Amino acid sequence: KQEVTQIPAALSVPEGENLVLNCSFTDSAIYNLQWFRQDPGKGLTSLLLIQSSQREQTSGRLNASLDKSSGRSTLYIAASQPGDSATYLCAAPSSGSARQLTFGSGTQLTVLP
Amino acid sequence: NAGVTQTPKFQVLKTGQSMTLQCAQDMNHNSMYWYRQDPGMGLRLIYYSASEGTTDKGEVPNGYNVSRLNKREFSLRLESAAPSQTSVYFCASSLLGGTSGRMNEQFFGPGTRLTVL
Repeated sequence: KQEVTQIPAALSVPEGENLVLNCSFTDSAIYNLQWFRQDPGKGLTSLLLIQSSQREQTSGRLNASLDKSSGRSTLYIAASQPGDSATYLCAAPSSGSARQLTFGSGTQLTVLP
Repeated sequence: NAGVTQTPKFQVLKTGQSMTLQCAQDMNHNSMYWYRQDPGMGLRLIYYSASEGTTDKGEVPNGYNVSRLNKREFSLRLESAAPSQTSVYFCASSLLGGTSGRMNEQFFGPGTRLTVL
């Protein structure tokens, strides 16, 4: 059964710092991995989707990497801003069912001005 | 282009009451999903519809039914609500599902916050 873990559960950094959020998964037979952002009381916003054939995907100040062999993905945020404060979730396809996603519990990021 | 919309935004029910949560997408997506989000449990899939006319159970389907009304709309019904169904419910959609690479990127609605007393 796919299990997705995100460490740390919470992170607080000063504005301008570069930071890395971690995601690990147990079943490496995945076709892709998706990163989301969730603001308090809101829905999920898709940030990046990395296909298994890719090693990295970039969008603006965000860069996500995927290493299937080690069962890890990272989300790199450059030059963090207070507006980046949110919970970041990663999701990988569930074992035996590519249509179902297994979500991590998220990393709650606070960027201090 | 509204993306994924959900109604209602908030709902309070008494135990045993029924209700239907509505979801619609305007992105011409084929696959649609219903999730629930609970503190400490994360997001869990209730049901999904890979394409119009098909539905399948997810991880936590008990106590729920779904209807894929047409390509745009996917509803979730609670026949007899229980306090354990107090949660935030999210609908999502993707162009395709499964191993389709970028085409199974999921897009979420704003959620329905349901309380069952």
